[in-house]
This record gives sequence, structure tokens and C-alpha cells, in this order.
Amino acid sequence: AQTVTQSQPEMSVQEAETVTLSCTYDTSESDYYLFWYKQPPSRQMILVIRQEAYKQQNATENRFSVNFQKAAKSFSLKISDSQLGDAAMYFCSFMDSNYQLIWGAGTKLIIKP
Amino acid sequence: NAGVMQNPRHLVRRRGQEARLRCSPMKGHSHVYWYRQLPEEGLKFMVYLQKENIIDESGMPKERFSAEFPKEGPSILRIQQVVRGDSAAYFCASSQSAWTDTQYFGPGTRLTVL
Repeated sequence: AQTVTQSQPEMSVQEAETVTLSCTYDTSESDYYLFWYKQPPSRQMILVIRQEAYKQQNATENRFSVNFQKAAKSFSLKISDSQLGDAAMYFCSFMDSNYQLIWGAGTKLIIKP
Repeated sequence: NAGVMQNPRHLVRRRGQEARLRCSPMKGHSHVYWYRQLPEEGLKFMVYLQKENIIDESGMPKERFSAEFPKEGPSILRIQQVVRGDSAAYFCASSQSAWTDTQYFGPGTRLTVL
């Protein structure tokens, strides 16, 4: 069964600094998609970034980038120049040919002003 | 372009009542997914629907829960005879196609069972 593990229940970072959130997953499939979603206190689930497993190049969206290591089944999220508005729960998720998103337990990110 | 709409945002029911949760997908999206989030946990897949068809309901409890996505109108997640353990946030997501497409989420419905 596919699983997603986020080993950091909570992380904190000083405003304007960089933080990395870790995620590992387990699958026997070779073709799949990986996502990071953000859930602020409003509880809306917002897509942050998406990575296709067949692409070697790491996805980037402005201050957000990933380090995708397919062999290690690792998919970490790096947030540069952290801002107060980045404070949220961050969920790593995985989608395979079953169309379901499998989710990690989440990492609570705290931004210190 | 409006995003995924869910209503109500908050729903309070007493044990034994029925809960109906509605989801209108983004314009042009014909694939709808329902997820449940218990407090302090990630989301758990419940069901995947296309118009008039249930594609995968492997995450749905066998009893009391049902879902539909009619030809016209929103997708409905129905919970009959609610119990306290049904209290959770229920999220709907939609995508334009199936497996290659990103799922976009609605704001969720927070169900509280008294």
C-alpha cells in the first residue's frame, strides 16, 4: 500500500529565512505525481507545488521549490524568504493510477517575526 | 473563474439526523473527489465520481454514506443517521481530467454532530 510520511510534526523559522519540510513516500509504481498543499487557519486546502515523477527537473514556484529524489522516494519542500503568510499546515500528497491522493499527517509551520 | 464551491461551510446535526454536503466543481471540471479530514490528521480519500458515475468508492464507509454527481447540479455527499464519529471536515476537490490533472479543493464543510 502507498504511504506518505512527514516526520516533522512542527517546524519553526525566522521570517525571511529558509526552511525545508521533509516528505518520504512508498510505492511500487514508477509513474505518479507528488504535491505539496498548504492549509492555513482558514482550513482551505491550497496547492503549493506539483511534481511529475517522470520529470528529473525539480519543480519551482516562486519562493517554493522541491528536492525530488526518486530513488530515495523523497520529496522535500523548500520555502525561501519565509513570510508571515506562509504560516500553515503543509501536507505532502501522492497520486498514482488509482486517482486517489494519499496524504501525509502534515507539518505545522510557524513563522517567527 | 470561480473555484470549487462547497456548502454549507458549517453544519451541525444531532445524532441520528441526516447530513447533506454539496460540492460544485470548477467550471469545465467533470471529475469530483471527496475527502474527510479528522482533527490533527491528513485527508483520507472517500470517493471519486464523474458525471452520473461512481468511479471509485473504496474509501467510503459501507453503511450510511453515499455520494452522487448528477448530470445537472452539484455533487452530494450524504450521511444518514449521523454519529459523533462523523464529526470532521469534508473536502471536495475537482479536476479537469482524471489521473494526470491536479485536484483543486473547495473550502470544506465542517460537520459537527452533537
